[in-house]
Amino acid sequence: EVQLVQSGPEVKKPGESLRISCKGSGYTFSDHWVAWVRLMPGKGLEWMGIIYPGDSETKYSPSFQGQVTFSVDKSKNTAYLQWGSLRASDTALYYCARRGEYYDTGRGYFFPLDSWGQGTLVTVSS
Amino acid sequence: AIQMTQSPSSLSASVGDRVIITCRASRPIDNNLDWYQQKPGKAPQLLIYASSNLHSGVPARFSGTGSDTDFTLTINGLQPDDFATYYCLQDYSYPNTFGQGTKLEIK
Repeated sequence: EVQLVQSGPEVKKPGESLRISCKGSGYTFSDHWVAWVRLMPGKGLEWMGIIYPGDSETKYSPSFQGQVTFSVDKSKNTAYLQWGSLRASDTALYYCARRGEYYDTGRGYFFPLDSWGQGTLVTVSS
Repeated sequence: AIQMTQSPSSLSASVGDRVIITCRASRPIDNNLDWYQQKPGKAPQLLIYASSNLHSGVPARFSGTGSDTDFTLTINGLQPDDFATYYCLQDYSYPNTFGQGTKLEIK
């Protein structure tokens, strides 16, 4: 069974750094991109970006480029989302999700987010 | 970035109703459109990928259609478990982008 298990909730002060984690199991971790998605209070889902564990290639949404850093440790089957200096506006629920790979005869390959972590709540407050 | 315009933003319906949610892409995305369901306090779950393919384990009352710029999610015969927030996501090009979400509430 494919599973993504995220680290627990965090309470931080503005300016502090933070790294949260997402551990994959039940599949070959290196073979599937891992996406990060933000859900701010009262808002909708936002696609932050994606990382390929095989070679650490990353794609950031322009809205998050320079604000966060994605990384992986293949030996631990774990992806990370990191902030160097948190702001109150970073308060949100953060999800990781596996990008699956599905073949549709006649239409080719498709790559939905087919398995999600349980989410990590990050609260930034002075 | 491709913008996804989802409507309506909220919807009230009754058990047994048929509900349609739409997503429009700001430029053609072929069939690279997924639908997700999110319940309060839970992670999103994949319902439909490639515009019309039902993900494993998803009830057949959910269906999706569309291509290029216009897409729909239809729920036939609403069940109590279906009251949730629904999102479309284009995975045609980076950055991938979600629609704003549709909150489906009980009438």
